[in-house]
Amino acid sequence: KAGVTQTPRYLIKTRGQQVTLSCSPISGHRSVSWYQQTPGQGLQFLFEYFSETQRNKGNFPGRFSGRQFSNSRSEMNVSTLELGDSALYLCASSLPIKPTGTGRTGELFFGEGSRLTVL
Amino acid sequence: KNEVEQSPQNLTAQEGEFITINCSYSVGISALHWLQQHPGGGIVSLFMLSSGKKKHGRLIATINIQEKHSSLHITASHPRDSAVYICAAPPYNTDKLIFGTGTRLQVFP
Repeated sequence: KAGVTQTPRYLIKTRGQQVTLSCSPISGHRSVSWYQQTPGQGLQFLFEYFSETQRNKGNFPGRFSGRQFSNSRSEMNVSTLELGDSALYLCASSLPIKPTGTGRTGELFFGEGSRLTVL
Repeated sequence: KNEVEQSPQNLTAQEGEFITINCSYSVGISALHWLQQHPGGGIVSLFMLSSGKKKHGRLIATINIQEKHSSLHITASHPRDSAVYICAAPPYNTDKLIFGTGTRLQVFP
């Protein structure tokens, strides 16, 4: 069973540009969550999608947005990049705790991350 | 004060030693995650628990919901256990994970 795939793995952008990152979850997983990791702030929750709906959002400015497609693949976008957006962006997919319905998410399966450098 | 706190921040051990990493939290939660991150960034989920104790190989995780405290134990530590261990918990009825700052473990042969 293929794991969580994130693309691209590495990218370099300049201030003011925008970036789109992609996350393909494990087959059958409908929940995808995104995280930012920086040396200063550690890991921080960005947002979580389930069945194309954003269920939870972290404390990030509106420049950070995301979406989920019908096949559960997710993208996140950062517009008007700032130097402080340089980070490792991780996504994770999971199944609900309850086998049916939309219960809270269970064990998380992480991708390798997309490392963004903003110059 | 962080809502999820870990201790210690850094830990060194000799191969074979018993390791304990602690995590305390101040919010009501429904479950707690223990994660492992190796150099290079990849994160692996070790445990997700909401009560009692779970064991997987040499790893044991416990949680006391009333005391808002969880521990991760590694028995017979090995150099390959060297990694950063992170606890994370979502406040009750959300999936907005709050992360601890991590514990960097180095196990020497």
